[in-house]
Parts: sequence; structure tokens; C-alpha cells
Amino acid sequence: DTGVSQNPRHKITKRGQNVTFRCDPISEHNRLYWYRQTLGQGPEFLTYFQNEAQLEKSRLLSDRFSAERPKGSFSTLEIQRTEQGDSAMYLCASSLTTGGNQPQHFGDGTRLSIL
Amino acid sequence: EDQVTQSPEALRLQEGESSSLNCSYTVSGLRGLFWYRQDPGKGPEFLFTLYSAGEEKEKERLKATLTKKESFLHITAPKPEDSATYLCASGGGTASKLTFGTGTRLQVTL
Repeated sequence: DTGVSQNPRHKITKRGQNVTFRCDPISEHNRLYWYRQTLGQGPEFLTYFQNEAQLEKSRLLSDRFSAERPKGSFSTLEIQRTEQGDSAMYLCASSLTTGGNQPQHFGDGTRLSIL
Repeated sequence: EDQVTQSPEALRLQEGESSSLNCSYTVSGLRGLFWYRQDPGKGPEFLFTLYSAGEEKEKERLKATLTKKESFLHITAPKPEDSATYLCASGGGTASKLTFGTGTRLQVTL
């Protein structure tokens, strides 16, 4: 399977702990995106990378959140000092950049539950 | 700010009963209107991209159309396996990010 892969699929943690999620995009895709989705809502954009450069961050991305894509391949999203409101599904997507606005292909997400 | 509104929130159809889902958008400089299907516990699955008014795309029982203000997802003779949440998203400006609506939950019964 050559789709977008996210790990772990589920994460349960206590409030105040740090968590890190990993995303492996489709191999030839140089754009990588992070979204957050809560129950009954559509995904909300958090940030995106073109190769290793982080080009845009949403105001939703507080200073407790940090994302990296060190070699332009996989990416990590870290949340420090987790809060109840961080409970959500965190989705990663990837796309090509050639020829206009290419469709983004999503992984199956990491579901975060804060106790 | 880009806005995408989907209706209805939920739709229940009997197998074979055709219908349409609506997506209204307000975007400065639309660069693609995207339809996705999402099953429970899964990520969105790409269905279609539409770029200009008048464009239509089809896949099996689904057809997506686009006007200057709206997009429609027509479902012809649906089957129970078409049950899912259908999400509409706009790409605007220089954008790479997508702005999603809240989705339409479709249930198709026998």
C-alpha cells in the first residue's frame, strides 16, 4: 500500500503530557499537510510543508504545537502540555505541486484522547 | 475569509432513491472545489476536483457539478455501500490549504 501512513492510530494520554505523531506521505509527494478534525466537523487546516520548509501555519496552531519535516519526507506533529481541548483526530495529507491545485490524499489519522 | 457550507447535514435515502447534496462556497480566487468521502474512523477519501463553472465529473453513481457559487454531488440509484459522510472543500488564493464544510451524513437503507 503506497498511501499516506499515520502512527499511532490512537493515543490516550493524561492532561499535561507531551505527545508526538508521525506521518509518512505518498513517496513522490513534496507537499505535506496537517489538519485537525473534531466530531461532526470538517477537517481544519493546521500547517503545511513544501519539502522541508514549513510555509504556512494556522492561527489554530498555538505555541504548544510544533511540526517538523526534517528531510522533506516524513513529518512529526508534537503537542506539548496537552489540554482537554486538544482531543481530536489529527489528519495528515500529501499532494504533488505540479499543475495547479492538486488533490490532497489523506491518511486515516491519529485519534488523540486527553484524560 | 473562505467559507464552505454544506446541506443538508444528514440525508436518509432508500436504495435506488436518487438525490443531490449541496455545497455553497465563498472563496477569493477559487483554485479547485474538492469532494471527499469519509467513512467512520477513516480519513477523507478523494473523489473529485472541479476547477471551473460548468465542469462536471462522474464516477460510478456519483456526479459532481460546479457553478460560480455552488457545487452539487448527485447520487443516482444509491446503494447501502454509498453510506458515508461527504465533505466538500475549497482551495483558494495561493493555497495549498483546503477549507472544508461540515459534511453531509448520507445513510442509504434497503
